[in-house]
Amino acid sequence: DTGVSQDPRHKITKRGQNVTFRCDPISEHNRLYWYRQTLGQGPEFLTYFQNEAQLEKSRLLSDRFSAERPKGSFSTLEIQRTEQGDSAMYLCASTTLDRGPDTQYFGPGTRLTVL
Amino acid sequence: SQQGEEDPQALSIQEGENATMNCSYKTSINNLQWYRQNSGRGLVHLILIRSNEREKHSGRLRVTLDTSKKSSSLLITASRAADTASYFCATVPGYALNFGKGTSLLVTP
Repeated sequence: DTGVSQDPRHKITKRGQNVTFRCDPISEHNRLYWYRQTLGQGPEFLTYFQNEAQLEKSRLLSDRFSAERPKGSFSTLEIQRTEQGDSAMYLCASTTLDRGPDTQYFGPGTRLTVL
Repeated sequence: SQQGEEDPQALSIQEGENATMNCSYKTSINNLQWYRQNSGRGLVHLILIRSNEREKHSGRLRVTLDTSKKSSSLLITASRAADTASYFCATVPGYALNFGKGTSLLVTP
């Protein structure tokens, strides 16, 4: 089963450090989404790509957050100068263009802890 | 802001009982979806109901949708310990899923 994969699954870092997460979507899925989920909340949309184009990034939480999908396959999410409030689960999801944003397939997430 | 709000926030039942959770949303929708999340399998899509549908079944799941009240319910019949998870409703007000805060379901043997 080649589902959505994310790496690493867990990341512990110190405040002020930069972190980068990777997401590999399901093959042939041209839409890729990033969400953040804090404890006791549902996932919150951050940004999404269609192929290599980042179509929406206004919901990224601050200018410390950036995402790329250079070749239209895997994507990275980087957080610079991490803060304790960045501690959360970061989820990636993918789907096909014809499905639109419906029925997204989620990866297992990367849990970030900022000390 | 989150579009949907699930109710109750937490639910504890015994195996074999039915579990009902509700979701309210704010804006007009084309469809509403339910997802399940547990530590083992992450976030998994369960069922999608379109705005012109009132009820939909999938195995032990039954979803209803009342667009006049902007609400939906998810019924899990004959629950099992493996149903222990958080359940989220989600809508698509634009280009991405908008989730509620979820209902945490605990099914005890």
